[in-house]
Amino acid sequence: GAGVSQSPSNKVTEKGKDVELRCDPISGHTALYWYRQSLGQGLEFLIYFQGNSAPDKSGLPSDRFSAERTGGSVSTLTIQRTQQEDSAVYLCASSKGSGNTIYFGEGSWLTVV
Amino acid sequence: GEDVEQSLFLSVREGDSSVINCTYTDSSSTYLYWYKQEPGAGLQLLTYIFSNMDMKQDQRLTVLLNKKDKHLSLRIADTQTGDSAIYFCAESPPSNTGKLIFGQGTTLQVKP
Repeated sequence: GAGVSQSPSNKVTEKGKDVELRCDPISGHTALYWYRQSLGQGLEFLIYFQGNSAPDKSGLPSDRFSAERTGGSVSTLTIQRTQQEDSAVYLCASSKGSGNTIYFGEGSWLTVV
Repeated sequence: GEDVEQSLFLSVREGDSSVINCTYTDSSSTYLYWYKQEPGAGLQLLTYIFSNMDMKQDQRLTVLLNKKDKHLSLRIADTQTGDSAIYFCAESPPSNTGKLIFGQGTTLQVKP
């Protein structure tokens, strides 16, 4: 479809394993965001990419979290040595640029057991 | 700090109007948004309003913006059971490079 696409939609992983979550933004959107939504919580900003600028990583909760965006399009969020508190929905969003409407994907539901 | 405030829960009867309220923090926010999240799903952009507007109507949805009080509301006319969801208000302050600041979400329960 034409929306933000995320994969996997669901992931169950063992504590201590690494996981990678993928996001395909809407074609032509230069801005890409990752948010996290924990059970019963609001949305927590993680990281923001805009074009070729250095990403805003101010929301990443620890150095176990990292993200990259290749070729200004697809992004991968990596969580190393997962912990149970990492269990959440990881939402990716994109927009045409800063100040434009932001559209979200369906999310990747991560469960760490 | 930056806090967008919403009441946590609203219950209405089917056919009634629902009004979900939100207060935001940054008067220079360019856009203000309402997102809907159904159980087990991601965020769906419901509507948004430019900061230079007072009102926006889109079918059953009416957004009212009071910039002086930094108050945003979403009115859903003729509320249906399919409207049951969590509604998030969000602001996009220019100082935040386009990041959205979300409220905690209002759970709307529609009783038949």
